Amino acid sequence: NAGVTQTPKFRILKIGQSMTLQCTQDMNHNYMYWYRQDPGMGLKLIYYSVGAGITDKGEVPNGYNVSRSTTEDFPLRLELAAPSQTSVYFCASSYTDRNNEQFFGPGTRLTVL
Amino acid sequence: GDSVTQMEGPVTLSEEAFLTINCTYTATGYPSLFWYVQYPGEGLQLLLKATKADDKGSNKGFEATYRKETTSFHLEKGSVQVSDSAVYFCACYGQNFVFGPGTRLSVLP
Repeated sequence: NAGVTQTPKFRILKIGQSMTLQCTQDMNHNYMYWYRQDPGMGLKLIYYSVGAGITDKGEVPNGYNVSRSTTEDFPLRLELAAPSQTSVYFCASSYTDRNNEQFFGPGTRLTVL
Repeated sequence: GDSVTQMEGPVTLSEEAFLTINCTYTATGYPSLFWYVQYPGEGLQLLLKATKADDKGSNKGFEATYRKETTSFHLEKGSVQVSDSAVYFCACYGQNFVFGPGTRLSVLP
C-alpha cells in the first residue's frame, strides 16, 4: 500500500504559467481533498470530491480547478499561476467524510516567481 | 464560523519533560476534535481524536480530553522524546472542518 502519493515534490513556476499537481491513492477511498498550507497558518481546503465524477469547492478555490474521473486520481490544475499561489499543497483522502481519519500525501512545494 | 485557536510556538523542551499544547475551539453543536501531527518533510497524520464530551483520545503516549464546558482539547504527554519533534495541529469538525495554525515542538536531547 503506497497510501497517498503526490507529484512533483517541488516546482518553480513563472507568473502566468500553468501546471497540474498529481494525486493518487490506492486505499479505495471515496473522499479526496486538496489543501494548501501557508507559513504559520493551518491548512485551507481548496477543493474536495466525494466520489468519481463529483467535485465541490472548498474555502479557497479561486485560481484552481479539479477533476475526478477515477476513484484513485484527483489532479489539481493551476491556470495562470500567481505569486499568491506560492504554498505547500497537500492531497488527502478518507473512507467517508472528514470525521474519519484523513490520510495525507507528502506534499508539493510550489513557488511562483 | 467554526474556528480553532492553538498556543503559539515554537515550543522547545528537553527530553523527558512534560508537554502541554493548548487548543480551544469555537463551533456550534457537538463537533468532533482531532490532533494531527506533521513530522519533518511528511504529510499530516492523525494522532488522536474524540467525538463527544468527556471522551479521551490517546495514542503513542499522547492524550487529550474533550472538555465541552471550556471548549478545549489540550494535548499532553508525560515524557517527550526527541522523535516527538514535529508540528502539531488541532482540528475541529462541526459545520466545517477547521485546522488550527499548528504548534512546532522541538525536543532537545
